[in-house]
Amino acid sequence: AQKITQTQPGMFVQEKEAVTLDCTYDTSDQSYGLFWYKQPSSGEMIFLIYQGSYDEQNATEGRYSLNFQKARKSANLVISASQLGDSAMYFCAMGGFGNEKLTFGTGTRLTIIP
Amino acid sequence: DAGVIQSPRHEVTEMGQEVTLRCKPISGHNSLFWYRQTMMRGLELLIYFNNNVPIDDSGMPEDRFSAKMPNASFSTLKIQPSEPRDSAVYFCASSAPGLPNTEAFFGQGTRLTVV
Repeated sequence: AQKITQTQPGMFVQEKEAVTLDCTYDTSDQSYGLFWYKQPSSGEMIFLIYQGSYDEQNATEGRYSLNFQKARKSANLVISASQLGDSAMYFCAMGGFGNEKLTFGTGTRLTIIP
Repeated sequence: DAGVIQSPRHEVTEMGQEVTLRCKPISGHNSLFWYRQTMMRGLELLIYFNNNVPIDDSGMPEDRFSAKMPNASFSTLKIQPSEPRDSAVYFCASSAPGLPNTEAFFGQGTRLTVV
């Protein structure tokens, strides 16, 4: 079974600062994928970034990067130079090897303060 | 591509009525998922299909829920009879084949209210 833990229910960050959203996971799979999604107040789920367990380099997508520490089973999302539009719920998720379904964490509500 | 298309966007129905939610996945995607989101339980996977075949329906709450995927471009989630505790946002998502995983793309969701 897979489990995702997000321990920060909510965070407040000053605009233009960097923010790190925590995610730890548990799985018995040797190969797996880690994902981050953003859900703004409008409700849609937006894919942000993906990290494969065998990827040696941390994934980056624009202002988003994933700090992947395999030994610690953590996959934290880093948002650089935060913007007001980053205010949203952020979900960490994982999928097993060749297993298409994703298991989601409980999410972190990020609020960017002007 | 238009993305994953769900209909209706909002549904209000009376307890006991049948509700059908619809989903059109992204063309070329071979996996389709139905998720339910509530404040209390977060995002739960109800069922997923691969190549139109149901693979895992362990998340379907009870026999009142059923899902079908008659072809690669259409799926339905039906609740019969509906109950107030079914009120939630129901998301459909699809993903393309790939190893170890590929990202799932979500539809806009259907907000269901059962009164």
